[in-house]
Amino acid sequence: SQTIHQWPATLVQPVGSPLSLECTVEGTSNPNLYWYRQAAGRGLQLLFYSVGIGQISSEVPQNLSASRPQDRQFILSSKKLLLSDSGFYLCAWSVRARGPDTQYFGPGTRLTVL
Amino acid sequence: AQKVTQAQTEISVVEKEDVTLDCVYETRDTTYYLFWYKQPPSGELVFLIRRNSFDEQNEISGRYSWNFQKSTSSFNFTITASQVVDSAVYFCALSEANYGGATNKLIFGTGTLLAVQP
Repeated sequence: SQTIHQWPATLVQPVGSPLSLECTVEGTSNPNLYWYRQAAGRGLQLLFYSVGIGQISSEVPQNLSASRPQDRQFILSSKKLLLSDSGFYLCAWSVRARGPDTQYFGPGTRLTVL
Repeated sequence: AQKVTQAQTEISVVEKEDVTLDCVYETRDTTYYLFWYKQPPSGELVFLIRRNSFDEQNEISGRYSWNFQKSTSSFNFTITASQVVDSAVYFCALSEANYGGATNKLIFGTGTLLAVQP
C-alpha cells in the first residue's frame, strides 16, 4: 500500500532563515506530487505540483520554491522566510489515470515563522 | 471560473443527531469531479469520496451519505447518528476533467468545522 511521509512535523523558524520541507511517497511509481499551504483561515492553496523528476509547476508567485530530485521525493524550500510563510504545509500525491487523479495527503508540517 | 462554496463555517450538534454539510459548486465544464475530504484535529486530509458529473446516484457508506444534484450544483454530505469522532473540518473540492493531461487541480471550499458534542 502507498504511504506518504512529511518531515518535520513542526518547525519554528526566525524570519530570514532558510527552509526545507521534505515529502516522500512509498509504494507507487511516477506519482504526481503537490504542495499545499493552509493558512489560519482554513483555505487550502495549491503552491506547486510536479508530474515528474525535475518538472515543477508553480501556482502562486511567492517566496517559496520546490524541487523533485527523485521520483518519489518532493522538497519545498525558501532562502529567506517571511512572517507570511507561517502555516500548515501539506504534501499530496496522486496516480495519473483516465479521469481525475484522487489526491492523497500526508500528515503535514506546521511552520511558525517568528 | 471554478468555485466551491461551503456556506456553513461551523456546525455544532449533539451526538446521535444527523447533520448535513452543504457544498455548492460552479464550473463551466460539462465533465467534472467532486470530492469530500475530512481533516481531523491531527491535520491530515482524509479522502472520503469522489464523484463524476455523469453519475448522479446518491451514495451511502455506513453512516455517511452523499446527495449529488446537478440541477442545483450541489454535492451535500450527510452524517447519520453523528459521533464525537466525526468532529473535524470537512472540505468539498472540485476538479476539472483530466483528458490525459498532466494532472488535474483541486479547487477547495473553505471547509465546514463540525463539532459533535457528547
